[in-house]
Amino acid sequence: KQEVTQIPAALSVPEGENLVLNCSFTDSAIYNLQWFRQDPGKGLTSLLLIQSSQREQTSGRLNASLDKSSGRSTLYIAASQPGDSATYLCAVPHQGGKLIFGQGTELSVKP
Amino acid sequence: DAGVTQSPTHLIKTRGQQVTLRCSPKSGHDTVSWYQQALGQGPQFIFQYYEEEERQRGNFPDRFSGHQFPNYSSELNVNALLLGDSALYLCASSYLGGGGEAFFGQGTRLTVV
Repeated sequence: KQEVTQIPAALSVPEGENLVLNCSFTDSAIYNLQWFRQDPGKGLTSLLLIQSSQREQTSGRLNASLDKSSGRSTLYIAASQPGDSATYLCAVPHQGGKLIFGQGTELSVKP
Repeated sequence: DAGVTQSPTHLIKTRGQQVTLRCSPKSGHDTVSWYQQALGQGPQFIFQYYEEEERQRGNFPDRFSGHQFPNYSSELNVNALLLGDSALYLCASSYLGGGGEAFFGQGTRLTVV
């Protein structure tokens, strides 16, 4: 059974800090991993998709890494801004395509 | 491209009633999945539709049913609503033959009173 865990559950940082969000999964037989952002009461916005053959994927100030063998992914956010405040979710496909999500990390960036 | 669109955005229903939620996938996508998200939790998979057939189903009772139309749009129906069905319902679309990236709609907030 695939389980996805995100640590920490919540994080508060001052503006300008670099930060790392963690995601771990129990079954390493994944073909990709996706990071999402969710603003309160809203839908999910896809941030980055890493294929199993890749180790990193970058988009602007965001960098996601994937280590299948250890069952871990990290999302690195550089020079954080108050507009980055949101919940960040990671998800992996399981048994034919359904996504298994972590509980999310709620990020607050203080001005 | 309008992306994934869901309707309605908010809905209030009485316990025991039935509700239908709608989803239009992103252009070029052929697969639609539905998720339920309780407050403070990650989304939970309800079911997935491809070629108008239910392809996969999560641990949800038969009160939850769905449909996919020839234009790939989809409906989620919930019968005999319970207070515990109150949640954000999310629709995701993807292309089955692609790399698997899923795109989500803005969600429907269902409140059962």
